[in-house]
Amino acid sequence: QQQVKQSPQSLIVQKGGISIINCAYENTAFDYFPWYQQFPGKGPALLIAIRPDVSEKKEGRFTISFNKSAKQFSLHIMDSQPGDSATYFCAARYSSASKIIFGSGTRLSIRP
Amino acid sequence: NAGVTQTPKFRILKIGQSMTLQCTQDMNHNYMYWYRQDPGMGLKLIYYSVGAGITDKGEVPNGYNVSRSTTEDFPLRLELAAPSQTSVYFCASSHGTPPYNEQFFGPGTRLTVL
Repeated sequence: QQQVKQSPQSLIVQKGGISIINCAYENTAFDYFPWYQQFPGKGPALLIAIRPDVSEKKEGRFTISFNKSAKQFSLHIMDSQPGDSATYFCAARYSSASKIIFGSGTRLSIRP
Repeated sequence: NAGVTQTPKFRILKIGQSMTLQCTQDMNHNYMYWYRQDPGMGLKLIYYSVGAGITDKGEVPNGYNVSRSTTEDFPLRLELAAPSQTSVYFCASSHGTPPYNEQFFGPGTRLTVL
């Protein structure tokens, strides 16, 4: 049972374009939604995170859009650069727990 | 600060062998986690700990054991290695208390069981 569903599995975007990765969740008890970025051979690292009481959070070229009623959230990367090529994981945390559930990941490739 | 360190980086085991994956963090984090990462499957939680002496199972605990005798260390033990345990293993730690929810990951251990 996949509690956090992520799509697409892989994505190719031209340099300068917008990369969009989508996630959906079922459990309304989730209260924290981070995105992690992982480069080959490295561990994941926190990129940006949002709480369900806001609909959007922006940090530089990275934006999370959050739709609480639809139980969906997405990562937008504006002006995508080759250095953004990595695997991206969405995740969700239970309000009463100390662990988070990860999506299956999206391998993003930015073509120069 | 070194952050989260893991040893070894790579290991090949034969079926039935045992080994311990080491994880140490120097950030004084109470929470520590072990994940395995399989291609296209994301990160699956094996075990986690909310403090020294306290551990709990995650999504995929079978075939693994953990202990947490100190705040800094959280070793993962494989008792009878099986090919299904071929994976990349990540250790992570976090402060745990909101809003400090960020998990800090180590560089991973790539394990192959033949």
